[in-house]
Amino acid sequence: EIVLTQSPATLSLSPGERATLSCRASQSVGSYLAWYQQKPGQAPRLLIYDASNRAAGFPARFSASGSGTDFTLAISSLEPEDFAVYYCQQRSNWPPYTFGQGTKLEIK
Amino acid sequence: EVQLVESGGGLVQPGGSLRLSCAASGFTFSSYEMNWVRQAPGKGLEWVSYISNSGSTIYYADSVKGRFTISRDNAKNSLYLQMNSLRAEDTAVYYCARVSNPYYDRRGPKWFDPWGQGTPVTVSS
Repeated sequence: EIVLTQSPATLSLSPGERATLSCRASQSVGSYLAWYQQKPGQAPRLLIYDASNRAAGFPARFSASGSGTDFTLAISSLEPEDFAVYYCQQRSNWPPYTFGQGTKLEIK
Repeated sequence: EVQLVESGGGLVQPGGSLRLSCAASGFTFSSYEMNWVRQAPGKGLEWVSYISNSGSTIYYADSVKGRFTISRDNAKNSLYLQMNSLRAEDTAVYYCARVSNPYYDRRGPKWFDPWGQGTPVTVSS
């Protein structure tokens, strides 16, 4: 089973700042990695797929990169609606699909 | 509009059973693979089960294997999760999630999109 480790667990930033979130895989997942955004009381939403492709409905301030075992999600200038929990997920070697434990992006 | 609506959650005693449903609309249900994902209170996401578009291929997480059964009725545009021998650690919000691209799109991305709003399951005496 591939283990995904996200860091940091919590990131405290102010609106307008840049956020950088990390996801590391226990073995290579190629580009088979996605990022999801989850706001309180809501279901997760697909944000990034295949490591670097932004899903429909998300603005260009969201970007992602990486391949193999190290991946990064960046938000260039935080808006109030961006504060949420972000999860990475792999589908390189499934079942099982696995998720990271999440990074909570909170307002400082 | 693509929509997934779960139902069937509730309070059940340890050892009991529950059947979750997920009603799909706005797309050709029979063309899409589906999954169940759960989230324990205050915790992260855990994949539970997968079913192919035809129902011929099924996978489970080790944590639920032998206790949960996934199924679908393409004529009714519905996905199900039969949960037996429930334990306290099964307490979670259960989401159904569609695979983003239809089964015949071999090269397309295969992620979880969209998700339903979730149905809560509490296992407690």
